Amino acid sequence: QSVLTQPPSVSGAPGQRVIISCTGSSSNIGAGHDVHWYQQLPGTAPKVLIYSNKYRPSGVTDRFSASKSGTSASLAITGLQAEDEGDYYCQSYDSSLSGYVFGSGTTVTVL
Amino acid sequence: QGQLMESGGGVVQPGRSLRLSCTGSGFTFSNYAMHWVRQAPGKGLEWVAVISYDGSSQSFADSVKGRFTISRDNSENTLYLQMNNLRPEDTSVYYCAKEIGIVGGTNWFAPWGQGTLVTVSS
Repeated sequence: QSVLTQPPSVSGAPGQRVIISCTGSSSNIGAGHDVHWYQQLPGTAPKVLIYSNKYRPSGVTDRFSASKSGTSASLAITGLQAEDEGDYYCQSYDSSLSGYVFGSGTTVTVL
Repeated sequence: QGQLMESGGGVVQPGRSLRLSCTGSGFTFSNYAMHWVRQAPGKGLEWVAVISYDGSSQSFADSVKGRFTISRDNSENTLYLQMNNLRPEDTSVYYCAKEIGIVGGTNWFAPWGQGTLVTVSS
């Protein structure tokens, strides 16, 4: 059972916008800990997509954006492309567990 | 940001031990805390353990506490995960990852290795 909850799947047609939510609690996101997002394409290792709630590493397209509010965060993908198909995970830190936590993961499908 | 490569995975019987290794290159290994993260087949990511840049402190997920140890040899740019008393539920791809952080923020992981598969089965 993941500490951070994400929808199992989201889908959209090419060019559309999809949003992935990440819901936590007062001991992780709500405690002020940053949220980071990872993309895991099929058969590959995860790669950081967004760090510190809203910043994109060099080389990540601006079609990806993210925000955080209260005990939740969200990742938006605009101009959906076939190459965006894969799994997406949020990550934070939990003060009660004294450890790092991941979201349950969301599979993005391009219709 | 460098590269990481894991090794040491394989098939092991329940109750036995296995040691994973992770070699870093392209960055100053001794400057960074390092983590292990695992992913069971078809499942999500689970943080396993972290070790400080100098090896002086470690922390573990409750699911592996008391069974797994993490260590490093900075002279060899190598991270280790010693896994004892393995259980079928430990079956996963194990990734090593470099910790990145900013002052006052929450750390994240980049880059990740390609992963090594550990299968615990009789």
